[in-house]
Amino acid sequence: EAQVTQNPRYLITVTGKKLTVTCSQNMNHEYMSWYRQDPGLGLRQIYYSMNVEVTDKGDVPEGYKVSRKEKRNFPLILESPSPNQTSLYFCASSLLGRGQGSETQYFGPGTRLLVL
Amino acid sequence: GENVEQHPSTLSVQEGDSAVIKCTYSDSASNYFPWYKQELGKRPQLIIDIRSNVGEKKDQRIAVTLNKTAKHFSLHITETQPEDSAVYFCAALYNQGGKLIFGQGTELSVKP
Repeated sequence: EAQVTQNPRYLITVTGKKLTVTCSQNMNHEYMSWYRQDPGLGLRQIYYSMNVEVTDKGDVPEGYKVSRKEKRNFPLILESPSPNQTSLYFCASSLLGRGQGSETQYFGPGTRLLVL
Repeated sequence: GENVEQHPSTLSVQEGDSAVIKCTYSDSASNYFPWYKQELGKRPQLIIDIRSNVGEKKDQRIAVTLNKTAKHFSLHITETQPEDSAVYFCAALYNQGGKLIFGQGTELSVKP
């Protein structure tokens, strides 16, 4: 089954404790992206990757890191989480993100993070 | 910078009525405009999209229109049903990279 998976789905942590949220897709998609969703603010892009070893900042990259060492994986790293990073996080992937062909983004199930 | 404004933030209609959600975007370089539906507790899912070389696209009860001159695009849902109740997001993709900018969302409620 074609899908985007995220782990963990729920996470409670404390300020300053490094954490990683994994994202994996089995559709051979070149493009992957991370978003955070907060009430009243919609979905805001954190980082995206057009291909392996190519990453770029979205609208709200501060406090986050990403890496794209393999095509199927795009982990989101919070080196020193803070309470303002409490949010619902979505990973997404698509075949191509250049405005041509299949731009449809497929979202993972979401990771709900609470930073105390 | 890139920005997408979406209105209204909430919309309540009677079953069978039409619903219209409007978005404006700031950067004329954008050329792809998707609409996503998000049901409570679930992930966003694409319901329809339109590219800049097209003015209108329909898929059964859903249609999207694009006015590139005015930098507006709208979602039209006809004959609404209770299962259309959800949050709808518009977005604009910027061609110089992979930036996808979302609107703030519209919570649609269809009353039986």
